[in-house]
Amino acid sequence: DAKTTQPPSMDCAEGRAANLPCNHSTISGNEYVYWYRQIHSQGPQYIIHGLKNNETNEMASLIITEDRKSSTLILPHATLRDTAVYYCIVRADNNAGNMLTFGGGTRLMVKP
Amino acid sequence: GAGVSQSPRYKVAKRGQDVALRCDPISGHVSLFWYQQALGQGPEFLTYFQNEAQLDKSGLPSDRFFAERPEGSVSTLKIQRTQQEDSAVYLCASSLEGGRDGLFFGSGTQLSVL
Repeated sequence: DAKTTQPPSMDCAEGRAANLPCNHSTISGNEYVYWYRQIHSQGPQYIIHGLKNNETNEMASLIITEDRKSSTLILPHATLRDTAVYYCIVRADNNAGNMLTFGGGTRLMVKP
Repeated sequence: GAGVSQSPRYKVAKRGQDVALRCDPISGHVSLFWYQQALGQGPEFLTYFQNEAQLDKSGLPSDRFFAERPEGSVSTLKIQRTQQEDSAVYLCASSLEGGRDGLFFGSGTQLSVL
């Protein structure tokens, strides 16, 4: 699976949009972009995934560039409870066992 | 319950002791995974089951680590002769077959080896 690059940390003001970038310049055509987050003392939580179209659900929006070499996770109105480590992962659709390879992630701090 | 359940939540072991960590996946989930997470790091894959079959154990760090899922539901991760470097959070995750819609993780077992 392709490797991802994320900034190690970011701050965001409560109520503002949090935009978390991810570079995946070596992504292949059959690889999806997944986002998970991990709140302190909990297991990772699935947020959203996409292939090439932008995606939105009740938690977040995922914007994937046209060349698919980077993406941005958007939390439209960040709350203090969104403070967590956010992981961007690329995974092939035919990945046997659908194993996820986590990198270091971005530690998002939402401040009052 | 509705989510993945792991027990115990915390485990303290003396060096050399054997430990067993339990995972109850979401009912109906075919795939089950174990991950190890060291302090300040992202989770690292240990092993994967589809039903009762262990299809990938490439991430197990040594032959002291053993996992089983005999009836295709509950899984146990066993660590023999624990060492200090085994101290970590052990996470279990489950998914429907294929897992395209994401893995569901438990809260983990925090193992401390003294």
